[in-house]
Parts: sequence; C-alpha cells; structure tokens
Amino acid sequence: GQSLEQPSEVTAVEGAIVQINCTYQTSGFYGLSWYQQHDGGAPTFLSYNGLDGLEETGRFSSFLSRSDSYGYLLLQELQMKDSASYFCAVRGGHSGAGSYQLTFGKGTKLSVIP
Amino acid sequence: EAGVVQSPRYKIIEKKQPVAFWCNPISGHNTLYWYLQNLGQGPELLIRYENEEAVDDSQLPKDRFSAERLKGVDSTLKIQPAELGDSAVYLCASSLTPAGGRNEQFFGPGTRLTVL
Repeated sequence: GQSLEQPSEVTAVEGAIVQINCTYQTSGFYGLSWYQQHDGGAPTFLSYNGLDGLEETGRFSSFLSRSDSYGYLLLQELQMKDSASYFCAVRGGHSGAGSYQLTFGKGTKLSVIP
Repeated sequence: EAGVVQSPRYKIIEKKQPVAFWCNPISGHNTLYWYLQNLGQGPELLIRYENEEAVDDSQLPKDRFSAERLKGVDSTLKIQPAELGDSAVYLCASSLTPAGGRNEQFFGPGTRLTVL
C-alpha cells in the first residue's frame, strides 16, 4: 500500500517563502502531485513531478527525489489567499488500472499571517 | 468550460435512511472518481470509472454503498442505509483517459453529508 507523511500545520508571514515536505512509502510509484484546497472548496491541481528535480509554475515550485522517497512544495512571495490546505498525492500502485490511482496525504494547513 | 458539478451541496439525514449523490464530470473526461474526505484528512478513493466500467472499487464498502455511471457520463453514489460514521464530504473528480503523466484530476465542490 501507500502512506504519506506531511506536517499537519505551517504558519508563515505574508511575502515570505514556505516549504511543505512530503515523504512517502509506496509499492509502486509513478509520480508525486500537489493539490490545494481552501476551506469548504474543491481540491485543485498545483503541480506534478514524475522525474527527479524541480518543477516551477509561477510562485509555486515542486521538487522530487525518487531515491529518497521525498518531495516538497515551495511557495514564494506568500499572499493571504495562499492560506489553505496542501495535499501531496502519490500516483502509484501497480501498472495498468492502478497506475492512475492517487493516494493523498492528510494535508498541511498553511496559515499566512500579515 | 464548466467544471465538475455535484448535487446536492449539503445533505442532512437520519441514520438508516438512504441518500444519493449526483455528479456530472467535465465534458469529454472518460475517467470519473468518487472520493470520501473526512475532516482534517485527505481524499480517499471509493471508486474509479473508465467510461461506464468500474475499474477500481476495492475501497467501496459494498454492503451499503453502490455507484453507477450509466452511459459513461453522469454518476450516482448511493448509501443505504446510512450510518453515523458516513458523515463526511463526498467528492467527485474527473480526468482525461489516458491522463498522461500528470493525471490531473478536476474536483467538484463536494456534497457535505451529515448523518444524525
């Protein structure tokens, strides 16, 4: 099966940089995704890493190290609207049907303060 | 482009009553997912459809939960009878098939179920 670990809460100051770490254990691995969810809202896709290295999308970057079973989401120039929960999700399982399955972590609640 | 539509947004029922949730995925998305999300937790997959075929329902409690996706578009998730522990948010998501490397899933706003 799959298991993911990420911090439950993080607080950061507006304009600062914050890193949310995710470690995983999985029986099969195809990639690591990150989703954002505001309170009462739908999860929305942020980024995906299938290979080792850094992926950058505007203020958000995501990193993956397959050998370390580790990834992180980096948020720069934090804004108040970034206050939300952030989930890492492993795309894993066996080949075929299972390879499209996402297993989500419990989420990290980010609070951005003035 | 319209997103994933779910209804109702909120539902309050008494235990042992039946309840049904409806989902309309993004047009052209062959793959549809139902997730359960408890407070403070990540979404947990209940069932995944490829067109009208359920290809992964291993996490669906089949004694009380059922789902269908007639004609490979809209889907309904049913609970009968509901138990107190079923109180949660039920999320529907859709994606293209094959989804490629990203497997980007598009989520609906969810149905918040309260069982009294």
